[in-house]
Amino acid sequence: GAVVSQHPSRVICKSGTSVKIECRSLDFQATTMFWYRQFPKQSLMLMATSNEGSKATYEQGVEKDKFLINHASLTLSTLTVTSAHPEDSSFYICSARDLRGSDTQYFGPGTRLTVL
Amino acid sequence: DQQVKQNSPSLSVQEGRISILNCDYTNSMFDYFLWYKKYPAEGPTFLISISSIKDKNEDGRFTVFLNKSAKHLSLHIVPSQPGDSAVYFCAASSSDGGATNKLIFGTGTLLAVQP
Repeated sequence: GAVVSQHPSRVICKSGTSVKIECRSLDFQATTMFWYRQFPKQSLMLMATSNEGSKATYEQGVEKDKFLINHASLTLSTLTVTSAHPEDSSFYICSARDLRGSDTQYFGPGTRLTVL
Repeated sequence: DQQVKQNSPSLSVQEGRISILNCDYTNSMFDYFLWYKKYPAEGPTFLISISSIKDKNEDGRFTVFLNKSAKHLSLHIVPSQPGDSAVYFCAASSSDGGATNKLIFGTGTLLAVQP
């Protein structure tokens, strides 16, 4: 149980284009999903908390207009990187917390974004 | 301000021996702690957690110890296996009454288990 999927696993795009990343909880419902970013050899940095049916909560320094988050159902959250630039290249990871459970977050496999 | 710290960036252990990974935190409001294992280019995998009302939690080869007075937790893996080689992150959260309890991650420790 507690499986979280992400799609795509890897994406390469041109500068200025937008990229959408999907995060799904496959065998549980999650009112809350989280989006993280990891730079090489660094820790996971929380970008935003995605709440089903309401607006996402962004961490300080994260541009909400650049990283659009939609949490349309209890099993799906999407992160759209708008007008991507090379500095947005990173490893993006989502996690989901089981509606019924504790504070344990279950992570997706991550999405490697490369912006040319 | 790094609220969760893993001061050892790497650790090398012989197969069959015990691996001890350490983590320190500064926020006394943290009341739930977790350890995750991560391979390169993959998402973290949940290993084990502990609530602040306990000082030890064991699951198979993995045991987490919590010392609240020292604000320190550790993960013991025994016996260590080559497949345990990965980056280990500790994380902490606080149930401050909010609906979303964020996890604060440490910087990770790279464990290498030598055959």
